[in-house]
Amino acid sequence: KAGVTQTPRYLIKTRGQQVTLSCSPISGHRSVSWYQQTPGQGLQFLFEYFSETQRNKGNFPGRFSGRQFSNSRSEMNVSTLELGDSALYLCASSLGLAATDTQYFGPGTRLTVL
Amino acid sequence: GENVEQHPSTLSVQEGDSAVIKCTYSDSASNYFPWYKQELGKRPQLIIDIRSNVGEKKDQRIAVTLNKTAKHFSLHITETQPEDSAVYFCAASSNNAGNMLTFGGGTRLMVKP
Repeated sequence: KAGVTQTPRYLIKTRGQQVTLSCSPISGHRSVSWYQQTPGQGLQFLFEYFSETQRNKGNFPGRFSGRQFSNSRSEMNVSTLELGDSALYLCASSLGLAATDTQYFGPGTRLTVL
Repeated sequence: GENVEQHPSTLSVQEGDSAVIKCTYSDSASNYFPWYKQELGKRPQLIIDIRSNVGEKKDQRIAVTLNKTAKHFSLHITETQPEDSAVYFCAASSNNAGNMLTFGGGTRLMVKP
């Protein structure tokens, strides 16, 4: 099976712009979660989608949003970019919503905000 | 919400020695504890996990122990090799929070040849 894929792998944006990141889960996986990874804050949960519905949301401002399509692919959007949004954005897919469902990570999208 | 603390933040060992990384969690409802290894520039990869109804799990040179009463769990790597050098993250999740993982701050393990 192909693993989790993310596009693009690298992005450079300027403050105030917006960005959309894409994640394709492992075939058959219906849950997609997004995480932000920074040297200072580590890995932080952004949100989780299952069956096109947001099931859980982390403690991030409303500038961070996402959605999931009927084929389980997911996108996340960050509007009005700030310098502090520079990070590695990782998505992870799992079969379902159970806490014990293993999450498999994609390679991430490295976002740099100038 | 859940809070996971991980120690130490860096760990240096000689090749062949053992390495132990410890994590504590706050939410008694947490019931799943995975460990991820992240090499430089790569994605986090699951190396071992443990469920709350199990006290210990082994997979070759890697083992994880869980003490539910004390709310802590540990990763043990025996006979370390240079390719074990990476950042290791512990995490916890509970059925109350769907699939959300709360991660520890990470441990940078360096294995010196």
